[in-house]
Amino acid sequence: DTGVSQDPRHKITKRGQNVTFRCDPISEHNRLYWYRQTLGQGPEFLTYFQNEAQLEKSRLLSDRFSAERPKGSFSTLEIQRTEQGDSAMYLCASSFLSQSGNTIYFGEGSWLTVV
Amino acid sequence: QKEVEQNSGPLSVPEGAIASLNCTYSDRGSQSFFWYRQYSGKSPELIMFIYSNGDKEDGRFTAQLNKASQYVSLLIRDSQPSDSATYLCAVKPTGSARQLTFGSGTQLTVLP
Repeated sequence: DTGVSQDPRHKITKRGQNVTFRCDPISEHNRLYWYRQTLGQGPEFLTYFQNEAQLEKSRLLSDRFSAERPKGSFSTLEIQRTEQGDSAMYLCASSFLSQSGNTIYFGEGSWLTVV
Repeated sequence: QKEVEQNSGPLSVPEGAIASLNCTYSDRGSQSFFWYRQYSGKSPELIMFIYSNGDKEDGRFTAQLNKASQYVSLLIRDSQPSDSATYLCAVKPTGSARQLTFGSGTQLTVLP
């Protein structure tokens, strides 16, 4: 059983460029989440999918950010016109709602550095 | 007031001691509470969750929940140097059946 997989693990980009991150959730999980974490802070919620539907978005998700989950499996997070403040670790997580609850499992994260 | 508050630490305990990590939350209607461990440069790893008032034990870890006081804690017995990490408290807020709100984490160092 593989866990949540993210790619790339590290990305250095110049300010103003676009970047895209990919997430492959645990196979039987129907819920997928994107979080962002900066140094010394806990993860901050960005957006959430149930299957292919994007059901919740944080106010943190400006119009430069877009997330998709076209077939209810993998997801992509694109950041357009990157800014230095976008430098962070972008965490993908997945879960499966069951009678015992809804436990979220994180991938290894994608580190973004905007120079 | 932050939704989920934790002492940032660092908290240092000697090897073999009990480490006590605390978390308070502001949303009185919150129902689910989680503790994650995060090693430096790595992603958060679920340790345990608790839904009901009282204690829940899993190996060397015990989660304690007091909804009346809006307080959740994590005890680590027989602390080991490998327990040195940042511990994140997360709460599922009312009205959002899906996302978690995290505290900033408490950095724990277990001294050999």
